[in-house]
Amino acid sequence: GQNIDQPTEMTATEGAIVQINCTYQTSGFNGLFWYQQHAGEAPTFLSYNVLDGLEEKGRFSSFLSRSKGYSYLLLKELQMKDSASYLCAVRDLFGDSNYQLIWGAGTKLIIKP
Amino acid sequence: SAVISQKPSRDICQRGTSLTIQCQVDSQVTMMFWYRQQPGQSLTLIATANQGSEATYESGFVIDKFPISRPNLTFSTLTVSNMSPEDSSIYLCSGGAALSGELFFGEGSRLTVL
Repeated sequence: GQNIDQPTEMTATEGAIVQINCTYQTSGFNGLFWYQQHAGEAPTFLSYNVLDGLEEKGRFSSFLSRSKGYSYLLLKELQMKDSASYLCAVRDLFGDSNYQLIWGAGTKLIIKP
Repeated sequence: SAVISQKPSRDICQRGTSLTIQCQVDSQVTMMFWYRQQPGQSLTLIATANQGSEATYESGFVIDKFPISRPNLTFSTLTVSNMSPEDSSIYLCSGGAALSGELFFGEGSRLTVL
């Protein structure tokens, strides 16, 4: 079956570093996404990994290990505005141009002063 | 990138009525999806909107309850039919290109059914 696991909630301190893990078991794989969603708002794209390794983008980095079915999102120099839910999603391709995203339940990150 | 506009942004509806949500994308996307999100929960895919043909529905969602149209690459509608309070939720339209890494979301339509 299709399954994506991530912690339900995490708490971290402003200025610190936090790592949000995501493990997946899917029938196919064509990339893993991280999205940020503030309460009451639509999700916004953070990162996309299709090859193993670390992708760095400013304060945010995302890592992928396809052999382990594992990814993490690393947030550095945490700011209060980083308080949000972080969604992990795996893309599975069908045919030449069709795809589906399988979503995790999201990790609610709480930043404390 | 793509900008996705949804309307209405919110509505309060009476039980038994139907409401159509419109989704407009400012650039051509290959894929368009409709999601539902209950408060405090993650995204649930309702269906993939296919251009010029019937949508592909996920388990638990049927065309009679959630008819979807996509007459062209940049426009789609979702109708929530014969609404009940259980249909109160945020409905999100999203779109993306097949080979790019990003899926864009509309701002969502918050429906409250009384």
